[in-house]
Amino acid sequence: GAGVSQSPRYKVAKRGQDVALRCDPISGHVSLFWYQQALGQGPEFLTYFQNEAQLDKSGLPSDRFFAERPEGSVSTLKIQRTQQEDSAVYLCASLSTGDATGELFFGEGSRLTVL
Amino acid sequence: AQTVTQSQPEMSVQEAETVTLSCTYDTSESDYYLFWYKQPPSRQMILVIRQEAYKQQNATENRFSVNFQKAAKSFSLKISDSQLGDAAMYFCAYRSGTGGSYIPTFGRGTSLIVHP
Repeated sequence: GAGVSQSPRYKVAKRGQDVALRCDPISGHVSLFWYQQALGQGPEFLTYFQNEAQLDKSGLPSDRFFAERPEGSVSTLKIQRTQQEDSAVYLCASLSTGDATGELFFGEGSRLTVL
Repeated sequence: AQTVTQSQPEMSVQEAETVTLSCTYDTSESDYYLFWYKQPPSRQMILVIRQEAYKQQNATENRFSVNFQKAAKSFSLKISDSQLGDAAMYFCAYRSGTGGSYIPTFGRGTSLIVHP
C-alpha cells in the first residue's frame, strides 16, 4: 500500500478483554516497530521485527502483550486481559532497508481505551 | 541506553515568526542519526528533518533547520516564518548508526501552538 495502515483506529475494551491490533506496513519494508504512546507522552518502544523475526521485544510491558508477524508483512499486537493502564495509542512504523538513516513511516495509530 | 530530553512541554509562536524547539540527548556513540518528527492532532507522525552525526553542516529543509552541537549533544529545531499548519507535537528522536541498536528512541515531545 501507499502508507502504513493500522486497524482498528479506535478500540474500547472492558477490563479483562483481549484485543488485537493490526498493522499493514509499506510494501517491501523489512523492519517493523510497535510503539506505545500514552496521552501527552512520546512513543515508547515495544517490539521490533525484521521480516518475520522478532529481534527485540524488550519494551513489552508484561507477558500479556504479544506480537507476531508470521509472513514478514502484516503484524498483529495482541493484549490479553486488558488493564486500564494499557489505555494508549499504539503506533506501528516501518522502515526501508534502503534508507541508511532510518526514517520511520508511521501509521495513524490505534487508540485503545480500557474501561 | 540512549536518552532524549525535550525540556519544553509547550511552545507558542506568532504566525510568521520564528521559534526554536530544544532537544538534548545522551550517548557514548559517535555514529548516530537524529530526527525531528511532527505529529498533528489525530494524524500520523511524519519526518520533518534528519541529521547524520558525522556531518558538520546543519540540515535544512525549507523553513525548517537544525542547530546540531555534537559536543554539547544538542539538536534544536528552528521553524522560520511559522504557519498555522505547523501547530502540532514535535518529537526529537535518536537512532544508533552502524553497530548499535537500530531502535529509534523518542523524547516526550513539545506541543507547538501557532497564534494567528
